[in-house]
Amino acid sequence: GAVVSQHPSRVICKSGTSVKIECRSLDFQATTMFWYRQFPKKSLMLMATSNEGSKATYEQGVEKDKFLINHASLTLSTLTVTSAHPEDSSFYICSARDQGARYGYTFGSGTRLTVV
Amino acid sequence: GENVEQHPSTLSVQEGDSAVIKCTYSDSASNYFPWYKQELGKGPQLIIDIRSNVGEKKDQRIAVTLNKTAKHFSLHITETQPEDSAVYFCAASTSGNQFYFGTGTSLTVIP
Repeated sequence: GAVVSQHPSRVICKSGTSVKIECRSLDFQATTMFWYRQFPKKSLMLMATSNEGSKATYEQGVEKDKFLINHASLTLSTLTVTSAHPEDSSFYICSARDQGARYGYTFGSGTRLTVV
Repeated sequence: GENVEQHPSTLSVQEGDSAVIKCTYSDSASNYFPWYKQELGKGPQLIIDIRSNVGEKKDQRIAVTLNKTAKHFSLHITETQPEDSAVYFCAASTSGNQFYFGTGTSLTVIP
């Protein structure tokens, strides 16, 4: 079935630095990918919709200059957390849609970001 | 926008018993309702879904029912096993675009 690979699975960074998270569709092309943020024991909150070849669409309240999204190819979207602060620590998850799959959307395994 | 509510937030059942999780949604335009299972430290895994033109769908021990009029849908797990223990999320979507997730149900199956 469709597989979405997300890396890294865990990352620890210092305050003020930037961190890049990659989301790859391994065996299908994804014109659209989604980025979610999940707080402990909470639901998934959609941050932005990543569109191949165009600007991402951000949800209300999400700082686009802080969470940079690039979807340069049909199989790769990246989320860069810029000038990270401890409050950015969270679980970030991407998902992508495989038009040909029985179940359309597949989630990545998530990235645990800890900012110290 | 869409608002999805999910109950209960926690659920404990004895192994072999059934578990039922319920969700309601607000946007009558929503037409796709997936259910996800999330294990600790992992991304959500789709376990079953239902579209608005169907009232019930079953896949082995898992079933989902949808009541469009009342705007609610439910997940039913029968003959529960310890490996069913996880957090379950419902979601609602319009034409498979944006997903709006419920708040999650932590299911514990007691051996």
